[in-house]
Amino acid sequence: AQTVTQSQPEMSVQEAETVTLSCTYDTSESNYYLFWYKQPPSRQMILVIRQEAYKQQNATENRFSVNFQKAAKSFSLKISDSQLGDTAMYFCAFMKHASGGSYIPTFGRGTSLIVHP
Amino acid sequence: SAVISQKPSRDICQRGTSLTIQCQVDSQVTMMFWYRQQPGQSLTLIATANQGSEATYESGFVIDKFPISRPNLTFSTLTVSNMSPEDSSIYLCSARRGGHEQYFGPGTRLTVT
Repeated sequence: AQTVTQSQPEMSVQEAETVTLSCTYDTSESNYYLFWYKQPPSRQMILVIRQEAYKQQNATENRFSVNFQKAAKSFSLKISDSQLGDTAMYFCAFMKHASGGSYIPTFGRGTSLIVHP
Repeated sequence: SAVISQKPSRDICQRGTSLTIQCQVDSQVTMMFWYRQQPGQSLTLIATANQGSEATYESGFVIDKFPISRPNLTFSTLTVSNMSPEDSSIYLCSARRGGHEQYFGPGTRLTVT
């Protein structure tokens, strides 16, 4: 079974600064996907960024980037130029690759990020 | 992308009663899921809703307590039966369309008194 660990229950950052959220996972699989999801207060959870394990290049989406260390089983999220709208719960998730997409993601416990003005 | 709506958005129910939550997706999806989330906590998968057949339940969740229907590729319901205060939680509908991104509904906040 896979496990996903987010060791930071809460973090805070000043607006315009950079913050990094940590995530580690445990698996014996070699082919899988990793995700960061964002859940703003009282709003729907949305996908922030996705990384395929077979890709060495770190995924980037605008101000969001990841540091994927496959050997260390680490998948951190960096948010640059933090904005007030980044305040949310962030969940790291793991999913095995399977044809037909039948596998279900495993979510971490989440990190609550507060961006201060 | 897929847009998911849920009804009701919140409800306060009395112990011993049942509540049915509806989930509607704006387009056909291959997989639909129901999660439970305590405020500020992670997501716990209740079951995978299978179209035209019985749902697949995770350990600790049973059909008698959480009956699920999925009559077509865009709609599912979750019933929370014989509720107790321990069932107070946020219930999330989720869906996936062939790929690997999972879409989520806004959630139903249930309080059982």
